[in-house]
Amino acid sequence: KQEVTQIPAALSVPEGENLVLNCSFTDSAIYNLQWFRQDPGKGLTSLLLIQSSQREQTSGRLNASLDKSSGRSTLYIAASQPGDSATYLCAVTLDRGSTLGRLYFGRGTQLTVWP
Amino acid sequence: GAGVSQTPSNKVTEKGKYVELRCDPISGHTALYWYRQSLGQGPEFLIYFQGTGAADDSGLPNDRFFAVRPEGSVSTLKIQRTERGDSAVYLCASSLRELAESYNEQFFGPGTRLTVL
Repeated sequence: KQEVTQIPAALSVPEGENLVLNCSFTDSAIYNLQWFRQDPGKGLTSLLLIQSSQREQTSGRLNASLDKSSGRSTLYIAASQPGDSATYLCAVTLDRGSTLGRLYFGRGTQLTVWP
Repeated sequence: GAGVSQTPSNKVTEKGKYVELRCDPISGHTALYWYRQSLGQGPEFLIYFQGTGAADDSGLPNDRFFAVRPEGSVSTLKIQRTERGDSAVYLCASSLRELAESYNEQFFGPGTRLTVL
């Protein structure tokens, strides 16, 4: 069974810092990896999706890298802002049979950026 | 609509009652997923539809849970004889298709918060 772990569980930083959120997964036979943002009481917003054949994806101040063989992904947030405060979730899909499509999630990193 | 919608946004029910949760996927999305998120946890997979059929229902916790998607669009998650442990946020997601060349990016609705008293 795929296990996804996210470190740290919570992070509190002043505005302007560059941040690194970590995600690891036990089964390296993934199809893709997605990073999501979840605001309190809200659904999930997709931030970045990395295919298993890719090494990284960038969107604005966000950069996600993927090392499939070692089972790791990193979300880098540059010049953090208070509006970045949210829970960040990492999720993978497996490259295998009928499980293709279902997402396996970590428990998330709760980020607080204070002014 | 522009995104995935779910109704109701909140549902409070009593133990033992029957509930239905509805999901409207993005138009044209053939794949639809249900997840359940308990407090402080990441979402957990329940069931996946490709078109009208359930391609993978291995995440349903027991036979009190059932989901349908009769016309390949709207889906309903049905929970019989609700228990307090069913309290959670139920999330629905859709994606365009599930093929090797597809990115299979999933787009989520706002969720339904179910509280069983």
